[in-house]
Amino acid sequence: DQQVKQNSPSLSVQEGRISILNCDYTNSMFDYFLWYKKYPAEGPTFLISISSIKDKNEDGRFTVFLNKSAKHLSLHIVPSQPGDSAVYFCAATGGVNFNKFYFGSGTKLNVKP
Amino acid sequence: DAGVIQSPRHEVTEMGQEVTLRCKPISGHDYLFWYRQTMMRGLELLIYFNNNVPIDDSGMPEDRFSAKMPNASFSTLKIQPSEPRDSAVYFCASSFPNYGYTFGSGTRLTVV
Repeated sequence: DQQVKQNSPSLSVQEGRISILNCDYTNSMFDYFLWYKKYPAEGPTFLISISSIKDKNEDGRFTVFLNKSAKHLSLHIVPSQPGDSAVYFCAATGGVNFNKFYFGSGTKLNVKP
Repeated sequence: DAGVIQSPRHEVTEMGQEVTLRCKPISGHDYLFWYRQTMMRGLELLIYFNNNVPIDDSGMPEDRFSAKMPNASFSTLKIQPSEPRDSAVYFCASSFPNYGYTFGSGTRLTVV
């Protein structure tokens, strides 16, 4: 049973617009969340994180929002650029096995020029 | 640091053969993880080690899979015998405690 879910396998956005990638989780023990970005033929690379003590974290064009009551987080990219085209994975951890991250299945973002 | 190094980058093997994937973590990282990426299930954790000791292998699909970490700078994931359904990209990652992972570039395994 997947504890972290990304229900949109793909997303297409025009350059300059906002990209919103969504992630849901089921385990209420999760309290630390990450987003990873993956280009073809490369390993995932860390993008941004958020702790459950916050509901928003911003880093340049990337902002992650956390809604603990809904067990939902989202990644906003503004403005989107063609170089942002990649697969984005959401990951979560918490509780006893804090170093064990559970990943979603990924969302493939295509930013059209 | 060169990052997490995996070898080989690509592996094509015949069903029934033994396959060994290798990983060199970042020096000083206490944790090492093996993940498998498939279209259907995304990134699945297979096993992870802390200070060379396996902590959780609940994600290992079956007895055909085994992983070892003989020292802090090397780990292997072995599949014996391999089957076509094992075809996937296998990632190794390492980290400090309570930190996000650094992933290797992965090994694309094709079993024909």
